[in-house]
Amino acid sequence: DTGVSQDPRHKITKRGQNVTFRCDPISEHNRLYWYRQTLGQGPEFLTYFQNEAQLEKSRLLSDRFSAERPKGSFSTLEIQRTEQGDSAMYLCASSLGQVTATFGSGTRLTVV
Amino acid sequence: QKEVEQDPGPLSVPEGAIVSLNCTYSNSAFQYFMWYRQYSRKGPELLMYTYSSGNKEDGRFTAQVDKSSKYISLFIRDSQPSDSATYLCAMSAEDDKIIFGKGTRLHILP
Repeated sequence: DTGVSQDPRHKITKRGQNVTFRCDPISEHNRLYWYRQTLGQGPEFLTYFQNEAQLEKSRLLSDRFSAERPKGSFSTLEIQRTEQGDSAMYLCASSLGQVTATFGSGTRLTVV
Repeated sequence: QKEVEQDPGPLSVPEGAIVSLNCTYSNSAFQYFMWYRQYSRKGPELLMYTYSSGNKEDGRFTAQVDKSSKYISLFIRDSQPSDSATYLCAMSAEDDKIIFGKGTRLHILP
């Protein structure tokens, strides 16, 4: 078990482009979370899944953001028409049950 | 008012001192209380969690939850320079998402 894996580690994109991030959780974990973190702030909740079902999406998240977890395994987070304000670290975490979430190292997005 | 409030610091203490980190919260439904440590450019790692009120000890770390005051604490004894990091409190209601505080930056001075 190699922990939670996120790909890519870094992404630089031009404003207006679409980007997609991938998260591979710990294999037996049924919950998967996506968070966004900017400098000096704590992780901000974006969305989470229980198996393949998306249980909640943050009200702060615009329609440009979408996440999927097909077959309850890996997950993707897509941002359409990126804006400079989307620049942040995107963190994925997984857990078996409610607590003890294990985080990946994150994908750092820079929108230029 | 944010659901979870945490002083961002920075907090600087000499090596060997006892460190006290705290969070307050507003949602009385929170039942799970967690502390994560995050080093620069890394993902958070779970240090400890408690369910409902009470204390929990793990080595040099002690977590306390006072639900009547909506206040949680993390104490670090015999602090080491390697403890320098950002400490995040996190909370969750039953069968719900995990909400994080802003994090407190801690510096242990050799």
